[in-house]
Order: sequence, then C-alpha cells, then structure tokens
Amino acid sequence: AQTVTQSQPEMSVQEAETVTLSCTYDTSENNYYLFWYKQPPSRQMILVIRQEAYKQQNATENRFSVNFQKAAKSFSLKISDSQLGDTAMYFCAFMKHNNNDMRFGAGTRLTVKP
Amino acid sequence: AAGVIQSPRHLIKEKRETATLKCYPIPRHDTVYWYQQGPGQDPQFLISFYEKMQSDKGSIPDRFSAQQFSDYHSELNMSSLELGDSALYFCASSLQGSPDTQYFGPGTRLTVL
Repeated sequence: AQTVTQSQPEMSVQEAETVTLSCTYDTSENNYYLFWYKQPPSRQMILVIRQEAYKQQNATENRFSVNFQKAAKSFSLKISDSQLGDTAMYFCAFMKHNNNDMRFGAGTRLTVKP
Repeated sequence: AAGVIQSPRHLIKEKRETATLKCYPIPRHDTVYWYQQGPGQDPQFLISFYEKMQSDKGSIPDRFSAQQFSDYHSELNMSSLELGDSALYFCASSLQGSPDTQYFGPGTRLTVL
C-alpha cells in the first residue's frame, strides 16, 4: 500500500519570503504521479503542481516548484515570494499510474503573515 | 470556464436516513471520482467511473453506492446514514487519458444528526 507522510502539521512564513513544505511517500511502484493540492478556508481543492515520476526535471508553476527526489521518495514544495492568499492547508498526494486511487497526506497548514 | 458542479452544497440528514449527492463533470470530461473528507482529515478516495463503468474502488462503505449516467453525471447514494458519515464529499472529473489532472468540485457538506 502507498502511504504519504507530511511531517509538518503547521508552518508559517512572512509575506514575500520562501517556505518549503515536506512530503515523503512509500511505494514499490516505479511509475506514478505526485501532486500538491491547496485547500483554502473555502475548502475548495485546488491543484497546485504535479510531477510524473518518470520525469527527472522538477515541475515548476510560477512561484511554486518541487524538489522531487525519487530515490529518497521525497517530494517537497517550495513557495517563493509568499502571498497572503497562499494561506491554506496543503496536501501532498500520490497516485499510481493506471489507478485512480489517489492517496493524500495528512496536510500542512500554512499561514502567511503580513 | 465551466467547473465541476455538485449539488446540493449542504445537506442535513438524520441517522438511518438516505442521501443522494450529485456531480456534474466539466463538459467533455468522461471520468468522475468521489472523495470523502472528514473533519480535520485528508480526503479519502471512494470510487471512480469511466463511461458509466466503475473503474476503481477505494474505501467506499457497503452502505454507499454510486453510478455514472449516459450524460456523464454521477450520483453517490448513501443509505443507513451514521454520525461518522458527516463529512465533505468531493467530486472530481477528468478526461480518461488524464487521471493526473483532476478538477475538483466545491464539495457537498453532509451533516448527519
């Protein structure tokens, strides 16, 4: 079974600074997807960034980037130039290729302080 | 752009009652996923459908059933409701070839009293 671990229940960062959220996962699969989802107070689930395991290049979406270390089974999210609107719960998620059962971590609550 | 529509947005039921949640995927999306997120919990995958057929099954209780219709909308039927079923239920949709790009609906908040 696949498990996703987010070891930081809560984090805070000053506006305009950079913060990194950690995620590790456990799997015996070689082909899979990894995701970071944002859930603001509205509870809407918003896809922030995704990574395909076979791609060595780290995914980047504007101020969001990941550090994907396949051998270490680590998938951290870096948020640059943090904005107040980044305040949310962030979930790391894993999905095997050809299987729709997405597994989420317990989440990290990020607060951006003015 | 059109998003995933879920109805109702809020639902209050008594124990042992039944509930039906509806999901309307983004136009042209043929795959629907259901998730349950309990209070303070991460989302749990329940079930998914492609072309009206169940494609994957997660931690869906036997008291729950779901189906996808010819217009691709999906319904989650929940019977013999328990207090522990109180949760936020998300529906997501995607194209079959892109399960890694799921678009989530706003969720239905179910409260069981």
